[in-house]
Amino acid sequence: DAGVIQSPRHEVTEMGQEVTLRCKPISGHDYLFWYRQTMMRGLELLIYFNNNVPIDDSGMPEDRFSAKMPNASFSTLKIQPSEPRDSAVYFCASSSRTGRTTDTQYFGPGTRLTVL
Amino acid sequence: AQTVTQSQPEMSVQEAETVTLSCTYDTSESDYYLFWYKQPPSRQMILVIRQEAYKQQNATENRFSVNFQKAAKSFSLKISDSQLGDAAMYFCAYRSFLYNQGGKLIFGQGTELSVKP
Repeated sequence: DAGVIQSPRHEVTEMGQEVTLRCKPISGHDYLFWYRQTMMRGLELLIYFNNNVPIDDSGMPEDRFSAKMPNASFSTLKIQPSEPRDSAVYFCASSSRTGRTTDTQYFGPGTRLTVL
Repeated sequence: AQTVTQSQPEMSVQEAETVTLSCTYDTSESDYYLFWYKQPPSRQMILVIRQEAYKQQNATENRFSVNFQKAAKSFSLKISDSQLGDAAMYFCAYRSFLYNQGGKLIFGQGTELSVKP
């Protein structure tokens, strides 16, 4: 299996521009998570999906952030408009359900976003 | 709400020696998972080891083992025979057991481990 795939690996943009991060989960996984990593706040969950449906978006910082999962093999995280404080590494992770619990989360390589 | 605390921002170990990274957590749940993830300079998050709270036996994976103390809410990682490739940031993470809790991970602040040749 190719693992979780994220694109782009690096993104540099200017303040006010729209940014779209992409994720392809591991085939067969029905949970998808978006995390953000910063020096100040560490690793924090932004949103997660189950069977393509957003379940908990309480970690999304503000309305400038939106996430979609149009099908089981693709998800996007969009920031519009972007701000310098959005600079961070964004991780996508996926897992599957096993009985009453969910299995281990597998992470993608991350997207390093820099907003100038 | 659950919290995870790693009180050692940095640790150093001599190659071939043993090092222990500390982690404490707070929860009111009785069933949960605990994890150690490794993040090398490549940024990739790599699962090192996981522990189910209902299991009394400590998990082991080759040179990596944990000391899980449920009553004390402590979950330390021991790395034996340290290798240069073990140098990385290590994160302790908590996850609720039930799928309807989403399985989201709650991470500690991380411990930067350096290995001296």
